[in-house]
Amino acid sequence: KNQVEQSPQSLIILEGKNCTLQCNYTVSPFSNLRWYKQDTGRGPVSLTIMTFSENTKSNGRYTATLDADTKQSSLHITASQLSDSASYICVVIYLSGAGSYQLTFGKGTKLSVIP
Amino acid sequence: KAGVTQTPRYLIKTRGQQVTLSCSPISGHRSVSWYQQTPGQGLQFLFEYFSETQRNKGNFPGRFSGRQFSNSRSEMNVSTLELGDSALYLCASSLGRQDSYEQYFGPGTRLTVT
Repeated sequence: KNQVEQSPQSLIILEGKNCTLQCNYTVSPFSNLRWYKQDTGRGPVSLTIMTFSENTKSNGRYTATLDADTKQSSLHITASQLSDSASYICVVIYLSGAGSYQLTFGKGTKLSVIP
Repeated sequence: KAGVTQTPRYLIKTRGQQVTLSCSPISGHRSVSWYQQTPGQGLQFLFEYFSETQRNKGNFPGRFSGRQFSNSRSEMNVSTLELGDSALYLCASSLGRQDSYEQYFGPGTRLTVT
């Protein structure tokens, strides 16, 4: 079964600290992997999109890594801010044959940044 | 540029009724995708429309349907509502196919079925 597992489920960190969120997937064949940030009561916002050949991609204080061999991705947040408090969702898009594709979402990691 | 807009933002319906949700994409975007988000299942893909044609669909029953108009605006319809349909319904738009382009999400429609 094609799955995307995120860890931890929730995380509390102090403002200014760094943190790393994990995303492991079993889907195949892989097309691309996306990280989204979702504030409470709002729609998700795209952080990064990574294809098979990309190992690292940054977006400000957010850096995503991808290891296609082990099927693992991580999202590293540097110098956290209170506004980073949100759910972070990993999405894997994979090819499902005949030019079609499917999306599998992780359940997300809920990050709380406290002063 | 205005973002993706969804109407209504909140909706309360009774089991057995039907509901229609609306989504207006970012100007110039031709692909509109719909998602269901619940606390238990998380985000799940419903379907994608591109140039008025359904290009891809997730694993949902036929009670869930949609359409896209020539101006790229999209509607989603759920018939014979069940309690389990209570969820946040999100719409996202992109320049092209959702698997190849960045998606921009709307704020969602919160549907409560009683």
